[in-house]
Amino acid sequence: DTEVTQTPKHLVMGMTNKKSLKCEQHMGHRAMYWYKQKAKKPPELMFVYSYEKLSINESVPSRFSPECPNSSLLNLHLHALQPEDSALYLCASSQLGESYEQYFGPGTRLTVT
Amino acid sequence: SQQGEEDPQALSIQEGENATMNCSYKTSINNLQWYRQNSGRGLVHLILIRSNEREKHSGRLRVTLDTSKKSSSLLITASRAADTASYFCAISGGSNYKLTFGKGTLLTVNP
Repeated sequence: DTEVTQTPKHLVMGMTNKKSLKCEQHMGHRAMYWYKQKAKKPPELMFVYSYEKLSINESVPSRFSPECPNSSLLNLHLHALQPEDSALYLCASSQLGESYEQYFGPGTRLTVT
Repeated sequence: SQQGEEDPQALSIQEGENATMNCSYKTSINNLQWYRQNSGRGLVHLILIRSNEREKHSGRLRVTLDTSKKSSSLLITASRAADTASYFCAISGGSNYKLTFGKGTLLTVNP
C-alpha cells in the first residue's frame, strides 16, 4: 500500500471555528510532513515529524497546531484561521534518511470565510 | 534561498513532441527530485537523482544533473495529453528531511 489518505477532501470553516485535518499512511514511514499550497504556487513546508516527534516548524502561526498520535497518523488542528489561510493542505510521508522520495496525499482544500 | 527555479514557467507542445524543463538552484544538495501535480491534486514523485549522479532514466523520463552549474533538466519524450500537469523540482540538502520546491513548470500537451 503506497497510499497516503487525507480527510476531509474539502473544508469550509469560519474564522471562529475549530477543525482538524487528518492524514494516514500505512507504509511504515517514520517521517511525516504538512505542506501548504496556494493556487499556482509551489508547496511550502509547514511541519516535519520524525519518529512521531516534531522536528521542523517553519515558523508557522500558532493557529495551526500539528499532532502525531502514532506512526501512521498525522493531524493538523485549526483554530481562529484567517481568510488568507485558504489553501490546499498536503500531507506527505517518507522513509527516514537523506535520499528518499516523499509520498503525498490528495490534499484538503480549505476555505476560510 | 535554496529554492529551485524552473524554466520555462509554462510550456505548450503537441502530442508526440518532447518536453524539456530546467531547474536551477543556489546551494549544495544531497539530491534533487522531480514531482508532477495534476490540477488541484497531490504531488506524484517522478524521479530522484543524487548529487553524485549525472543522469537517470525512468520510462519516458530522463533527468540530468550538473552540480557544477547547479542545474537539472527533466526530459519527457513522446509526450501524451495525459502528461499535462505542473512539474516541480525539489531540493534536498542538509541533514534533515526538508524538501524545498521550485516554482514549477506548467506543461500543456495538446492532442
